[in-house]
Amino acid sequence: DGGITQSPKYLFRKEGQNVTLSCEQNLNHDAMYWYRQDPGQGLRLIYYSQIVNDFQKGDIAEGYSVSREKKESFPLTVTSAQKNPTAFYLCASSTPRELFFGEGSRLTVL
Amino acid sequence: DQQVKQNSPSLSVQEGRISILNCDYTNSMFDYFLWYKKYPAEGPTFLISISSIKDKNEDGRFTVFLNKSAKHLSLHIVPSQPGDSAVYFCAASLMNRDDKIIFGKGTRLHILP
Repeated sequence: DGGITQSPKYLFRKEGQNVTLSCEQNLNHDAMYWYRQDPGQGLRLIYYSQIVNDFQKGDIAEGYSVSREKKESFPLTVTSAQKNPTAFYLCASSTPRELFFGEGSRLTVL
Repeated sequence: DQQVKQNSPSLSVQEGRISILNCDYTNSMFDYFLWYKKYPAEGPTFLISISSIKDKNEDGRFTVFLNKSAKHLSLHIVPSQPGDSAVYFCAASLMNRDDKIIFGKGTRLHILP
């Protein structure tokens, strides 16, 4: 089945720890995205990548890092510099006209 | 500065009646609009879209209306069903830009029995 796979679905982290969220797609899409959702905030863009080995900051990139070494993979690292990391994270890939989303990863900082 | 606004955080509608979700945008250059539906702890799924060259697009129980002069679009669901209870996101994008799709904050729809 074609789609986007995010893992883990739930993740707990202690303050001061980095954590990496995985996102893999087999849709052969060039573009991939990471969004964050907080209650009442809608979806906010963290990072996006239009091609392999290239990525751009979104609206709320501070405290996050990404890599795009393969077309299929776009992992997101939530670093200890992110002040409020507890949130629901969504990965997506796109054609020029539509986004396809993963199931999301919920990160809780203890 | 929000370019895509969904001013109603929540909406309750009786089962079987029409649900109308509204969305306003500020950038007249947007040329493609989408609606996504999201259940708790799941990723949003695409529902319906409309190009700026149209004023209406219909798909089964879902119809999206676009009023470009008012920079307003709406999603109509009729008849509303219990499974329609979810958060609905309006989104907009620009033609021929490598830019992102811009989302509204969402409207939570409750379908009442």
